[in-house]
Amino acid sequence: DSGVTQTPKHLITATGQRVTLRCSPRSGDLSVYWYQQSLDQGLQFLIQYYNGEERAKGNILERFSAQQFPDLHSELNLSSLELGDSALYFCASSPATSGGLNEQFFGPGTRLTVL
Amino acid sequence: AQSVAQPEDQVNVAEGNPLTVKCTYSVSGNPYLFWYVQYPNRGLQFLLKYITGDNLVKGSYGFEAEFNKSQTSFHLKKPSALVSDSALYFCAVTVLQKLVFGTGTRLLVSP
Repeated sequence: DSGVTQTPKHLITATGQRVTLRCSPRSGDLSVYWYQQSLDQGLQFLIQYYNGEERAKGNILERFSAQQFPDLHSELNLSSLELGDSALYFCASSPATSGGLNEQFFGPGTRLTVL
Repeated sequence: AQSVAQPEDQVNVAEGNPLTVKCTYSVSGNPYLFWYVQYPNRGLQFLLKYITGDNLVKGSYGFEAEFNKSQTSFHLKKPSALVSDSALYFCAVTVLQKLVFGTGTRLLVSP
């Protein structure tokens, strides 16, 4: 158990809908990262927050947004969903601001299915 | 583009035999390299990292990796494979403070 929790575990929704994925980092970790894992795209970095501020951005679509709250939990919002958004979404956390040098601790993921 | 490549989709090895999972990198400057493992229906788990220093890095569960600058490689190794090592292994490199993952290699250890 990494100490990172994600809810829900599974989410099934329809095209055009909006969903929110939630992540609670390990106790004391200030950085939260979001990743998307799909068969065709592999594991892709989406966005990083550090202590409430956006720190780095990856291949995140404009339809997607995220935020980190004062209690350090984070939410990833996916809107106008398309079939291609079906994937496993992981949250990870680390103590420091730089994901580049430090190991990241991954949650179990949220499996999103868009029908 | 700065990236890592995992040339094998799958590696098969018998229990007790040594295993190698290959990774090569393409990065300007000094690379920061990582190995993660993903068990079925689980998130990724950190195995080891190379930042600087000794080219042989020891990690969790008896795994190690050798950084080879001349061959731009960072292969993951274990002297004696276990059936429980069967999983998906990802190599990753830091690019502009972000982790860029390889496509993953499925390791299958047979009894």
